[in-house]
Amino acid sequence: KAGVTQTPRYLIKTRGQQVTLSCSPISGHRSVSWYQQTPGQGLQFLFEYFSETQRNKGNFPGRFSGRQFSNSRSEMNVSTLELGDSALYLCASSPDSSSGANVLTFGAGSRLTVL
Amino acid sequence: GENVEQHPSTLSVQEGDSAVIKCTYSDSASNYFPWYKQELGKGPQLIIDIRSNVGEKKDQRIAVTLNKTAKHFSLHITETQPEDSAVYFCAASMSFGNEKLTFGTGTRLTIIP
Repeated sequence: KAGVTQTPRYLIKTRGQQVTLSCSPISGHRSVSWYQQTPGQGLQFLFEYFSETQRNKGNFPGRFSGRQFSNSRSEMNVSTLELGDSALYLCASSPDSSSGANVLTFGAGSRLTVL
Repeated sequence: GENVEQHPSTLSVQEGDSAVIKCTYSDSASNYFPWYKQELGKGPQLIIDIRSNVGEKKDQRIAVTLNKTAKHFSLHITETQPEDSAVYFCAASMSFGNEKLTFGTGTRLTIIP
C-alpha cells in the first residue's frame, strides 16, 4: 500500500512569489491535514480537509490556503512568500474521522526555501 | 488553545539503557495522545498512541503512560538500540482522531553504542 506522497520534495522560491504543494493521501483515506515544521516553531497545524471541505484551520494568515479534490488529493498554496515561510510542509492523511479510529500518516514533506 | 510541553529537548543514553520522555498538556478536554518518531529526511511516524480511557499501553520495547489528573503523559523506551536515535514528538488532540494535533517541541534522542 503506497504511503502519503508529497511533491515536490524540495523547492526554492524568492520573496513575493507563490507556491503550490501537492499531496496524494493513502488510498481510501478521506481526510488530509497540513502541518508546517520549522526549527523555531516546531510542528504547527495549518488546516484539514475532509470530503473537499475545510473542516479545521490553524492560526496562519490568509496567504496560506488549500483545497481538496474529489479523489482526496490535496494542494496547499502560499502566496506572497516571506522569508519566514521557509519550512518543511508536511501532509498527513487519515481514514475517516467519524470512525473514531484515526491515525495520522505523514508524508516525507516538501521542503520550501524562500530567498 | 491546547499547549503541550515536552522535556527534555535532548537525551543521550547508553545502548541497552532506558529512555523516558515526558509531556504535559493544558486542556483537560484532550483525549488522544500519540507519539511520533522522526528520522532525518522523513516525516513523523506514529510509534504508539494512547486514549484517555486507558492509563498505560505497551508495544514491545515501547510504552506510554497517561495521568489525566496531572495532565501528563510519558514515553518509555527500554533496551534502547542505535536505531532508536531520532527526534520524538508527543502530541495531543481533543477528540478521537481529530486531525488538529498540538505537538510538543520534540526530543532528540541519541543512543550511544
